[in-house]
Amino acid sequence: AQTVTQSQPEMSVQEAETVTLSCTYDTSENNYYLFWYKQPPSRQMILVIRQEAYKQQNATENRFSVNFQKAAKSFSLKISDSQLGDTAMYFCAFRVGDNNDMRFGAGTRLTVKP
Amino acid sequence: DVKVTQSSRYLVKRTGEKVFLECVQDMDHENMFWYRQDPGLGLRLIYFSYDVKMKEKGDIPEGYSVSREKKERFSLILESASTNQTSMYLCASSLPRGGGTDTQYFGPGTRLTVL
Repeated sequence: AQTVTQSQPEMSVQEAETVTLSCTYDTSENNYYLFWYKQPPSRQMILVIRQEAYKQQNATENRFSVNFQKAAKSFSLKISDSQLGDTAMYFCAFRVGDNNDMRFGAGTRLTVKP
Repeated sequence: DVKVTQSSRYLVKRTGEKVFLECVQDMDHENMFWYRQDPGLGLRLIYFSYDVKMKEKGDIPEGYSVSREKKERFSLILESASTNQTSMYLCASSLPRGGGTDTQYFGPGTRLTVL
């Protein structure tokens, strides 16, 4: 079975600092895709960043970057220069190949403090 | 921009009622999904549809059914609502399979309370 584990239910960070959210996954497949989604309070879930497993280079989107360790099955999200608007629930997600079945972690609630 | 809308943000129903949750997307996406979101459990897939009138069960289909008569609309039906179906329900849509990196776009969610 494919599973996604987010071991940090809640985290907080001071504005302008850097924070890293952890995610591990379990699969025997070789072709898969990893995602981080953000769900702000009372707002829609949006994609933050995604990574193809066959790519060795870590994905980056502005202040958001990932540390993808394929052998360790780890996919952490780093948020640099944290802003108040980054306060949200963050979900790590995983999909194998062309399957429609997306697996989500339990989420990490991040609070950015002024 | 992709827009996925859901018919209600908040809904309160009584045990045994039939409940309809509607989802509409405006990007001509083939795939549509219904998830429920519960604290500590993340998102769990209830059903998805990859074409009009086509559907597949997800992880937790029991107590739910779906309908997709038109490409843009995907309905989730609770035939006889129960208190354990109190949850946040999220609809999503995406392009068809292939390529693998197709993003799922989410609606704002419907918080359903069953009394």
